[in-house]
Amino acid sequence: KNQVEQSPQSLIILEGKNCTLQCNYTVSPFSNLRWYKQDTGRGPVSLTIMTFSENTKSNGRYTATLDADTKQSSLHITASQLSDSASYICVVSVYTGFQKLVFGTGTRLLVSP
Amino acid sequence: DVKVTQSSRYLVKRTGEKVFLECVQDMDHENMFWYRQDPGLGLRLIYFSYDVKMKEKGDIPEGYSVSREKKERFSLILESASTNQTSMYLCASTAGQSYNSPLHFGNGTRLTVT
Repeated sequence: KNQVEQSPQSLIILEGKNCTLQCNYTVSPFSNLRWYKQDTGRGPVSLTIMTFSENTKSNGRYTATLDADTKQSSLHITASQLSDSASYICVVSVYTGFQKLVFGTGTRLLVSP
Repeated sequence: DVKVTQSSRYLVKRTGEKVFLECVQDMDHENMFWYRQDPGLGLRLIYFSYDVKMKEKGDIPEGYSVSREKKERFSLILESASTNQTSMYLCASTAGQSYNSPLHFGNGTRLTVT
């Protein structure tokens, strides 16, 4: 069964600190892995998309890593800001006849002043 | 920037009513999607469309239908609303057939069925 699991479910960090969110998946056949940021009351916004051959991808203070062998990904946030408070959703694309996406349930991050 | 606009942010409907959720995108994207988002669950695909007048069932199509008469507009229809359809509904679009195209989401419609 295709599944995406994220940890932790929620996290509180102090402004300025770094944090790392985890994503484990059991999806086959794998096409790509995405991270989305969802602010409260808003739709998700794409942060990164990584294919099988990419190990690391950055978007500003966000750096995603992918280990296709262990089927794990992480999202590292550097020097957190209050605006980073949001849910972060890991999504894995299944290589079928059409783009099928399997969504994790997200990690809710709160950055405290 | 791609803009996906959902016509209502909040809706309250009664059980048995027919409900229309509208979504418009301004980037000429071929593909459009309707998801629902519930606490503790990942986004679940209801229906998608890869062309005008084309539609495909997603993972949870029961109780829903869709309409795509124009490329930019994708409507979700609840034929007879029920309380278990209370949820956040998200519309999304993406270009072409590339597996690496990001989804662009609207800001959602929070539907409450009483």
